[in-house]
Amino acid sequence: NAGVMQNPRHLVRRRGQEARLRCSPMKGHSHVYWYRQLPEEGLKFMVYLQKENIIDESGMPKERFSAEFPKEGPSILRIQQVVRGDSAAYFCASSRPGQVYEQYFGPGTRLTVT
Amino acid sequence: AQKITQTQPGMFVQEKEAVTLDCTYDTSDPSYGLFWYKQPSSGEMIFLIYQGSYDQQNATEGRYSLNFQKARKSANLVISASQLGDSAMYFCAMRPTWGEGYSSASKIIFGSGTRLSIRP
Repeated sequence: NAGVMQNPRHLVRRRGQEARLRCSPMKGHSHVYWYRQLPEEGLKFMVYLQKENIIDESGMPKERFSAEFPKEGPSILRIQQVVRGDSAAYFCASSRPGQVYEQYFGPGTRLTVT
Repeated sequence: AQKITQTQPGMFVQEKEAVTLDCTYDTSDPSYGLFWYKQPSSGEMIFLIYQGSYDQQNATEGRYSLNFQKARKSANLVISASQLGDSAMYFCAMRPTWGEGYSSASKIIFGSGTRLSIRP
């Protein structure tokens, strides 16, 4: 019974490159949430997705960030033209329909922008 | 606006002692849930305990208990008989529980965390 999977676990990008972070939810979960954790801070909500649908993206920066959760395959968080301030841990969580309060977190992807 | 406040950035506790991590919250939602998560140095987020705002009794999970005082808007985590493996960051978090139809009910709001260090 695999938990939420994220890859890669560590990602290094140079300024200006694109970063793609993947999240595979737990089996039976169709809701995915992305959170960002800056160094020495708590997690901040970014976006909530269901299959092929963005439900709430109020925490996403207006530019360079996008997220999708296609019908098949993992959820992708994409950061274009990364800057040093994007360096953070990005966590994905998933839940079943009707149980949005039971979010199970993945191990996170640590993005370092050099 | 909803807010979680953790006023203890760091704590040192002797092994086997009990420890209380403070958490206060602010919300105007009539119904909400409170969580505690543990983040060890390896970085993953581990769910510890959950308390619903209408739950009559304080939540307990093994050595963890949540001291919920609704009138004071506090949700302190108590760890009994601390162990070396308890050394980690601890985050208090909250979300409204309006129901699945409200997208805002999906956002978990986290505090800034408390770094707990257990001394042998």
